[in-house]
Amino acid sequence: EAQVTQNPRYLITVTGKKLTVTCSQNMNHEYMSWYRQDPGLGLRQIYYSMNVEVTDKGDVPEGYKVSRKEKRNFPLILESPSPNQTSLYFCASSPTVMNTEAFFGQGTRLTVV
Amino acid sequence: AQSVTQLDSHVSVSEGTPVLLRCNYSSSYSPSLFWYVQHPNKGLQLLLKYTSAATLVKGINGFEAEFKKSETSFHLTKPSAHMSDAAEYFCVVSYTGRRALTFGSGTRLQVQP
Repeated sequence: EAQVTQNPRYLITVTGKKLTVTCSQNMNHEYMSWYRQDPGLGLRQIYYSMNVEVTDKGDVPEGYKVSRKEKRNFPLILESPSPNQTSLYFCASSPTVMNTEAFFGQGTRLTVV
Repeated sequence: AQSVTQLDSHVSVSEGTPVLLRCNYSSSYSPSLFWYVQHPNKGLQLLLKYTSAATLVKGINGFEAEFKKSETSFHLTKPSAHMSDAAEYFCVVSYTGRRALTFGSGTRLQVQP
């Protein structure tokens, strides 16, 4: 089954404790991205990757890192989480960046206390 | 700046009555437009997409949307609401040259019995 898999689904952590949210897709898509969803703001892009070893900042990259060492995986790293990073996070993939359907993971609800 | 405006944050309808969710986007040459649905605790699922073919687009679960270039609108409709349609709906635009999807802020659809 074609899918985007995120882990964990739920995470509560403390300020400053490094964490990683994993994302994996099995559709051989070139383009992957991370979004955060906050009430009334829709989804905003954090980082994206056009292909292996090619990543770039989205609209709200501060406080986040990503890597793309393999085509299927695109982890999101919070080196020193802060409470304002409490949010619902989605990973998405698509064959290309333009004009094509994006496939979304189930989401990761992160709470930073 | 390119933007997507969903005109209603909440819409409430009775089961069996028509649904109209409104979306306007800032003008761009040949944008691609999408509607996604998000059920509680789920990821985003594509309802339908417009990519410069027919202006009336049919999607899943009886939804359709009409692309009106002169009005820069892409409103989502369904003739008869079902209880299972209760969810949040996002209008999404892929602007030429931009390496991210632009999301509206979402419309929460309530369906009353």
